[in-house]
This record gives sequence, C-alpha cells and structure tokens, in this order.
Amino acid sequence: ETGVTQSPTHLIKTRGQQVTLRCSSQSGHNTVSWYQQALGQGPQFIFQYYREEENGRGNFPPRFSGLQFPNYSSELNVNALELDDSALYLCAGGLAGAYEQYFGPGTRLTVT
Amino acid sequence: DQQVKQNSPSLSVQEGRISILNCDYTNSMFDYFLWYKKYPAEGPTFLISISSIKDKNEDGRFTVFLNKSAKHLSLHIVPSQPGDSAVYFCAASSFNRDDKIIFGKGTRLHILP
Repeated sequence: ETGVTQSPTHLIKTRGQQVTLRCSSQSGHNTVSWYQQALGQGPQFIFQYYREEENGRGNFPPRFSGLQFPNYSSELNVNALELDDSALYLCAGGLAGAYEQYFGPGTRLTVT
Repeated sequence: DQQVKQNSPSLSVQEGRISILNCDYTNSMFDYFLWYKKYPAEGPTFLISISSIKDKNEDGRFTVFLNKSAKHLSLHIVPSQPGDSAVYFCAASSFNRDDKIIFGKGTRLHILP
C-alpha cells in the first residue's frame, strides 16, 4: 500500500478532446511526479511538481500540463488528445531529495 | 535512445531456485539505481535500490549487484516464490536529474511450480 490513489481507473476520449487525471498522495509526500507508460514500455517521466511548481520535465509537449495542490493532490491535464496518448498514466509521490517514489495504480486512457 | 536496457522481456524460473534479472545502462552520470515490481492493475512498487558508491545491497531475499565499469546491474531473488511472478523494472537516476527517473522496459518473471 503506497498511499497514492488515482482517478478515474479507466477513461475513453476522442482525438482532439481534453482530459484531466487526478492523483491523491499521502501526507508527507511533498513531490508528485507523473509518468506515461505505453504498452510494452517502461514508465516515461512527464514532469514533477514540488511546492506547487513544476520541478523538472521530460520530453513531452506543452499540451501536457499539471497542477499540485496543498492538500497533496495533483492533476495531469492533456489538451488536443492524440491517438498516441493512449497509455497508462501513473502518479508517484515522494520526498524532495529522495530517489524512491511511490506509485498509484494508474489511469488507463484510451484515445479513439 | 534507451538509457536503461532490460534485454530479456521475460524469464521463467522454478520455484525455490534463484531468479536473476539483468539491466544495462549507458549514461555514466547515473548514480542511483532502483528496482520496481509491478503486478497487473497496480502501480510499480519500490523493491530495492543501490547507490553508485556500493556494489551490493541486500534486503531479505532480494540482492542487487552493481558493476559500474560494465554499466550493469542485476537483481537476484533467492529463493524464488510464486508471489514473485510480476514485471520487474530497472530504473536509474542521477544527482543532477531534475528528479527524473529513467525506467527500462521491464522483464516479466514467471515462477513455475
């Protein structure tokens, strides 16, 4: 049990639409990171938030954006959805300066 | 360009025997390595880690070995148990990392009865 929850579990969207995925981390996690895991691949880092500001970003376009709230919750927003955005999206809580991260179960996004 | 490579997509091991999962990396700036385990419909779970200043770290049945000169690490599970059947991800990070962890593609471990 990692103390990290995500919603919804599954989601189906149409190309061009926008989507918001949510994550709730446990007290004590002051960083939240988001990862995209395509089928047959490992998780790929999207970005991390610390103190409600973006603190590091992977190779993802600006249409991927996020928010971190004071209550240890976070959102991942994706605009102008593309078919290749279909993947499992993972949220991970952690502590600034620590390498270990604790993952939620993920949201499976399907773009048609 | 894969910086962390797990070249075996799957591995089958008899229950009670040793499971050895391998991982290679290309970025010499990596200074911390982690193994995660993932069951279906769950997120990856942190298993064990090792700093680049060490060559071995042990936690119960799990031992990680690091060979910096070869840019290679391995996870040993002894003895293997049915509950060890899962996908194992090798991951790496560096001090100047922007808090980014780079994952390999994973190895699916099957423990045979």
